[in-house]
Amino acid sequence: AQTVTQSQPEMSVQEAETVTLSCTYDTSESDYYLFWYKQPPSRQMILVIRQEAYKQQNATENRFSVNFQKAAKSFSLKISDSQLGDAAMYFCAYRSADFGNEKLTFGTGTRLTIIP
Amino acid sequence: DTAVSQTPKYLVTQMGNDKSIKCEQNLGHDTMYWYKQDSKKFLKIMFSYNNKELIINETVPNRFSPKSPDKAHLNLHINSLELGDSAVYFCASSQVGTGGTQYFGPGTRLTVL
Repeated sequence: AQTVTQSQPEMSVQEAETVTLSCTYDTSESDYYLFWYKQPPSRQMILVIRQEAYKQQNATENRFSVNFQKAAKSFSLKISDSQLGDAAMYFCAYRSADFGNEKLTFGTGTRLTIIP
Repeated sequence: DTAVSQTPKYLVTQMGNDKSIKCEQNLGHDTMYWYKQDSKKFLKIMFSYNNKELIINETVPNRFSPKSPDKAHLNLHINSLELGDSAVYFCASSQVGTGGTQYFGPGTRLTVL
């Protein structure tokens, strides 16, 4: 079974600075997808960024980028120019590429606080 | 237009009661899911349906019964509610074969007294 580990329960960053959230995972599969979801106090789950395991290039979405290290099974999220609206719980998630096993396996989350 | 909607958003009920949560998606997706988020914010899959067929059932007590009348709807019925069922329940949907990003509903906070 796959597992996802987020070792930082809480992080804080000054507004406009850069912060990196860590995520490691364990799997025996070679093809899979990785995601970062954001959950603000509204509790809505919002997709931040996704990465296909077969792609070597790291995904980027505006101020959000990932550092995907497949051999090390590491998938960290970098947030540049942090804004107050980035304050939320961030969840790393793994999804198999196999049909019929498309559930998301989540890490325990990192609560990000933005300091004005 | 809301992509994935859930009703109700809040549900407060007594132990032993039976309740249902409804989910609808207008994204044209063929796969829908139920996740449970506990008091420590941990999210875990409960069920997954593809084209109305159950494909994932993750060791959930049989008091929980999902029903998918069509591929746009997935409801969750819970019998004999227990205190430990208090949680936030999320519905999500995705399309098989597209790299399957899952889109989540707003969640239903269930409180069992």
